[in-house]
Amino acid sequence: GNSVTQMEGPVTLSEEAFLTINCTYTATGYPSLFWYVQYPGEGLQLLLKATKADDKGSNKGFEATYRKETTSFHLEKGSVQVSDSAVYFCALSRSYNTDKLIFGTGTRLQVFP
Amino acid sequence: GAGVSQTPSNKVTEKGKYVELRCDPISGHTALYWYRQSLGQGPEFLIYFQGTGAADDSGLPNDRFFAVRPEGSVSTLKIQRTERGDSAVYLCASSREPADTEAFFGQGTRLTVV
Repeated sequence: GNSVTQMEGPVTLSEEAFLTINCTYTATGYPSLFWYVQYPGEGLQLLLKATKADDKGSNKGFEATYRKETTSFHLEKGSVQVSDSAVYFCALSRSYNTDKLIFGTGTRLQVFP
Repeated sequence: GAGVSQTPSNKVTEKGKYVELRCDPISGHTALYWYRQSLGQGPEFLIYFQGTGAADDSGLPNDRFFAVRPEGSVSTLKIQRTERGDSAVYLCASSREPADTEAFFGQGTRLTVV
């Protein structure tokens, strides 16, 4: 079946450090891939998405590229800020829509000044 | 409304009791989803509504769980004979239509069964 595996946290970084959170997936067909973020005390928010192979999603300085050959969608940011501290979830859907999102277990990011 | 609203934000109930969790989606959103998030896990899909009908209820764990959306707006997730294992955060999300790639999530209802 379809599944998402992401690196365990917490990931602890100093401000301005480079961030990578790994995400790999197993899926049949051609899923869409997402990163959602949950800031403390808030609901899940879509951070970025990619709907086909080689697409790059980007938002707020974060990027992720849909790599079909490695079944990966790693999240990167060149210089993190304290305000990026949150839990990040990688997710996929069966197709381009969101009728059924399958989430990873989440990775907590802690950024210190 | 401005966002997806879920009530109550917290619910503590005794084992064996019945509970209802409410979701008020963003106005005009036709698609509505319920997910369950256990501690340390990602959200797990429960059920998806398109309008008033349940288009996919394959994630409901057993027949103690039921959800309705009678007028195509507000939805209620109903859990009968609650068990301690039902304790989790129940999340609701909505999108303008199923083909929309962005689902907007509420802050969830934390259910604790004691």
